[in-house]
Amino acid sequence: GQNIDQPTEMTATEGAIVQINCTYQTSGFNGLFWYQQHAGEAPTFLSYNVLDGLEEKGRFSSFLSRSKGYSYLLLKELQMKDSASYLCAVLDSNYQLIWGAGTKLIIKP
Amino acid sequence: GAVVSQHPSWVICKSGTSVKIECRSLDFQATTMFWYRQFPKQSLMLMATSNEGSKATYEQGVEKDKFLINHASLTLSTLTVTSAHPEDSSFYICSAKTSGRETDTQYFGPGTRLTVL
Repeated sequence: GQNIDQPTEMTATEGAIVQINCTYQTSGFNGLFWYQQHAGEAPTFLSYNVLDGLEEKGRFSSFLSRSKGYSYLLLKELQMKDSASYLCAVLDSNYQLIWGAGTKLIIKP
Repeated sequence: GAVVSQHPSWVICKSGTSVKIECRSLDFQATTMFWYRQFPKQSLMLMATSNEGSKATYEQGVEKDKFLINHASLTLSTLTVTSAHPEDSSFYICSAKTSGRETDTQYFGPGTRLTVL
């Protein structure tokens, strides 16, 4: 079966750095997406990785290792507004998006 | 760019009535739109994939006669929940791809919160 694993919840301090991991086992791979979802709102796109390595976009970076079936989202200089759920999703061989359950990130002052 | 709107944002209806939700791509043409449902504290669940001018493809377990999807143009898809019941109360979210390429990013609408009394 297809499976995406990410921690259910994480807590971090304002101004700090946090890394949210995602491991996947899917039938094929055509890329991995990270989305941010604030409570009661729809997801918003953060990043897309299809090649190994680190993609940096401002305070957020996303890393992919296809051989390990592993990705992480790195958030730097955390702000209170970063409190949200972070969803990992993989595009499988049929170009279907397989979603993780999301990681709820709690930022404390 | 890549803005998706949904209407209405909130809807409360009586059991047995039908509710139509619109999803529009405002600044791009979306050959493919997706409809998701999300229950509280749960992950997104894909309900169906909607392609312009053709019948929607429903996920296993989703009743196509209950959740009617119409994708009549490249900028509009509608989801109609027919004979809604309290268990249909959920957050319904649409998304759209910016082109026909499979790996293009899905951009999400703001969602519609449906409450069936």
